[in-house]
Amino acid sequence: TQLLEQSPQFLSIQEGENLTVYCNSSSVFSSLQWYRQEPGEGPVLLVTVVTGGEVKKLKRLTFQFGDARKDSSLHITAAQPGDTGLYLCAGEESNYQLIWGAGTKLIIKP
Amino acid sequence: DAGITQSPRHKVTETGTPVTLRCHQTENHRYMYWYRQDPGHGLRLIHYSYGVKDTDKGEVSDGYSVSRSKTEDFLLTLESATSSQTSVYFCAIRDTSQETQYFGPGTRLLVL
Repeated sequence: TQLLEQSPQFLSIQEGENLTVYCNSSSVFSSLQWYRQEPGEGPVLLVTVVTGGEVKKLKRLTFQFGDARKDSSLHITAAQPGDTGLYLCAGEESNYQLIWGAGTKLIIKP
Repeated sequence: DAGITQSPRHKVTETGTPVTLRCHQTENHRYMYWYRQDPGHGLRLIHYSYGVKDTDKGEVSDGYSVSRSKTEDFLLTLESATSSQTSVYFCAIRDTSQETQYFGPGTRLLVL
C-alpha cells in the first residue's frame, strides 16, 4: 500500500505570514490533488498537478509537483483568516484510486 | 457542484444493528466511492464502484458491504454496526472529464 505523508499536521500562524505544507511519498503518482475541507463539509478540490515539476497558482496559493512525481507542496503567501481549514493531499494511482495524506489543520489568527 | 447527496446526514445507532447509508448522484458518473474519515487517518477507501453491479473492496472494507443497482445510487451497509465504525462517511464520484473526485456532504454516524 502506498503511503502519503503530510506535514505539518497542525499549523497556527498570524495573518500575513507565509507557510508551506508538504506531501511526500516513496511512490510515483499519476497525479496529485490538493483539497480543502471546512468543518461539517466534504473536501473540495483546489488543484490537480499532473506533470513532474509543474507549478500552479491559485491567487495566493502556489502548488508544486516534484520532478519525480512523488511529492508536492502547497505554499500560501500572506495568509488570511479565510484560509483556515483542513488541507488534504491525495495521490492518484493508475487505477484511479486516491491515496490520502492525513491532512494539515491550518489556523490563521487575525 | 457534482449533484451528490447523502442520506441520512446524521445517525445514531446501537451496536449490532444494521445500518444503510445512501449516496445519490444526478450526473451519471460511472465511478463512485465510499470513504470514512477519522482524526489522524485522513480519508480511507471502504468500497468503490465502476459501474452498475460492479464493485470492489478498498483499504478498510471489513464489516461493510455495498450495492449499486442503478447508476445514480450507491449504498453502503454496515452489516452489524460496531463502535469502531463511528466515523464520518463520505461518498464521492469521479468526473472522468476532469480527472477529479467530487464529494458529498458526509454522514456523521455514531454507534453506541
